[in-house]
Amino acid sequence: SAVISQKPSRDICQRGTSLTIQCQVDSQVTMMFWYRQQPGQSLTLIATANQGSEATYESGFVIDKFPISRPNLTFSTLTVSNMSPEDSSIYLCSASFDRGYTFGSGTRLTVV
Amino acid sequence: AQKVTQAQTEISVVEKEDVTLDCVYETRDTTYYLFWYKQPPSGELVFLIRRNSFDEQNEISGRYSWNFQKSTSSFNFTITASQVVDSAVYFCALSVNSGNTPLVFGKGTRLSVIA
Repeated sequence: SAVISQKPSRDICQRGTSLTIQCQVDSQVTMMFWYRQQPGQSLTLIATANQGSEATYESGFVIDKFPISRPNLTFSTLTVSNMSPEDSSIYLCSASFDRGYTFGSGTRLTVV
Repeated sequence: AQKVTQAQTEISVVEKEDVTLDCVYETRDTTYYLFWYKQPPSGELVFLIRRNSFDEQNEISGRYSWNFQKSTSSFNFTITASQVVDSAVYFCALSVNSGNTPLVFGKGTRLSVIA
C-alpha cells in the first residue's frame, strides 16, 4: 500500500506564528485531504486538495487561516497561520488508494 | 449528507473478554464504502478494513470480525479474546464515490483492555 511521509511529527509554537506541515506521497494521487483532530475528538475535515486547482474548504475553515498548496501529484502542504492555543491539535493528511485511504502519521501541534 | 454514529464513547473490558464496537451509518447513496481504523496512543491511524455496499458478507481476520447489515445500516466490529494491545480509539468511517470524496468519521470509541 502507499505511504505518506508527514513532517514535522510534532512542534511547539508561539502564538501568532505560522507552521507549515508537509506531506509526501510515494505515488501519484489526485485528491489529498487534510484533517484536524482536537484533543479527545474525532477527525474533522479541513479541506480537499486537488492538484492544479484551489483547495476546497469545509465550513468553519478559511484559506487565510489554513492555506494549502498542492504543487504536484505527490506533495501537499498545510499552513496553520497566526496560531492561537485553540489551534493545538493533531493535523493529518490523507490520500485515497485502491484499497482505502492512507494517512500520514500526523503532526502534533501545541501552541503556547 | 453522510453521517456515522458510534454511540459508545468508552468501553472497558478485562483481557480475554470479547467486545463489540457499534457503528451506524446514514447515506442516500447506493454505492458507498465503510471503514474501520484503529488509533493507538501514538496517534497514527491504522487501517483495519474496507467494505463496499454490495458486499454484505461478514469478514473475519484473526481475532477481528465485522458484521455488515444493510437492513439496519450497521457495520459492527468485534474483537475476540481482547488483549491489552487492543487498547486504542477505534473509528468507523464512510465514503461515497471512493477516492474522490473524503472520509466521514464517527466520533470514535475508546477501548481500554485491562490486564
